[in-house]
Amino acid sequence: DGGITQSPKYLFRKEGQNVTLSCEQNLNHDAMYWYRQDPGQGLRLIYYSQIVNDFQKGDIAEGYSVSREKKESFPLTVTSAQKNPTAFYLCATKSGGAGTGELFFGEGSRLTVL
Amino acid sequence: GQQLNQSPQSMFIQEGEDVSMNCTSSSIFNTWLWYKQDPGEGPVLLIALYKAGELTSNGRLTAQFGITRKDSFLNISASIPSDVGIYFCAGLSNTGNQFYFGTGTSLTVIP
Repeated sequence: DGGITQSPKYLFRKEGQNVTLSCEQNLNHDAMYWYRQDPGQGLRLIYYSQIVNDFQKGDIAEGYSVSREKKESFPLTVTSAQKNPTAFYLCATKSGGAGTGELFFGEGSRLTVL
Repeated sequence: GQQLNQSPQSMFIQEGEDVSMNCTSSSIFNTWLWYKQDPGEGPVLLIALYKAGELTSNGRLTAQFGITRKDSFLNISASIPSDVGIYFCAGLSNTGNQFYFGTGTSLTVIP
């Protein structure tokens, strides 16, 4: 089945622990993104990657880290340095080249810090 | 990053009524996208617009790319209960791969 797969869908973490959210795609898209969604706010960009082995910080990168070792995979690690990590996290991929294309989202991962 | 102005913030309508919402930006975009998001789920792409003045339909949904390239509109005709959800816009500038998002319109359809 084609698309973007995020896992886990729900995750609970104790304070001080790092967690990694998985994002896998089989759409053959070059660009991948991680967004954070909080109630009443628009999507905020954490990190994005336009190509394998390259990624850029978004607006709220502090306390997060990513890697892009394969085209299909763009995992996000929420570190203990992130002060308010409880949120809904969305992974996305973009079709087309620079300045064009459509953005497709995974089903999201909800992280709750206990 | 820039957030797009989206209005209205919420709407409560009777089943069968038409719905209109819009997004405006201070920047010019080459692409406008409209999404629907259900609670706890990822957004689903409804319509993509690529040209100023373009009018595109997807079933009961119609969206327009504003002539100034700084705004876009989404209309839903003859609303039904399954239209309930949050709708938001996204714009992509022609200078890069970053998208900018509206804050969403929450739609409630009363049967």
